[in-house]
Amino acid sequence: SAVISQKPSRDICQRGTSLTIQCQVDSQVTMMFWYRQQPGQSLTLIATANQGSEATYESGFVIDKFPISRPNLTFSTLTVSNMSPEDSSIYLCSVLGQSSNYGYTFGSGTRLTVV
Amino acid sequence: RKEVEQDPGPFNVPEGATVAFNCTYSNSASQSFFWYRQDCRKEPKLLMSVYSSGNEDGRFTAQLNRASQYISLLIRDSKLSDSATYLCVVKPQSNTGKLIFGQGTTLQVKP
Repeated sequence: SAVISQKPSRDICQRGTSLTIQCQVDSQVTMMFWYRQQPGQSLTLIATANQGSEATYESGFVIDKFPISRPNLTFSTLTVSNMSPEDSSIYLCSVLGQSSNYGYTFGSGTRLTVV
Repeated sequence: RKEVEQDPGPFNVPEGATVAFNCTYSNSASQSFFWYRQDCRKEPKLLMSVYSSGNEDGRFTAQLNRASQYISLLIRDSKLSDSATYLCVVKPQSNTGKLIFGQGTTLQVKP
């Protein structure tokens, strides 16, 4: 399965600032996704990162708050903009490879704390 | 109603016990089903896909009942290392790649 490098692994940020999270995959992948896991909760899909076009956002998530880039088939970024303490969460990227047989792989996550 | 529902537990069992987790999903058109395992402060990792005919991988058996929209995971001969949160995951549509996660069931295996 694909190997994902997600950075940073954790950060503590001031409210009102922005943080960009990077997701690098060691092979070309069909689809890339960004999820959020709030404390004590399960994962919620933020958006699907589309290569060369605007991301597809889920209900409750907007581009102005969570801009996403995907310039090629191995890399994507998620920015958490104008942060507030409610944005404190774990953010994970996930990929589905060229073959769906091995399922979805997740990055190790970015643990964000907004103070 | 949540799209994927699980009993959050925790399930506390002794080593060697057999334990079963259940999950229901609301979208009858759902395409694919998975069980993921998530250790504390780690990312989810695929445990097994769930097929209509049921499937087994060592001590783990997964079952799917489409008529009842119900998925199960059976763990036999529990090990201490099985302690984790088990996430029921459903892919509702074949063309989007989107996954819907249950809230997870926590298992604690005790010596």
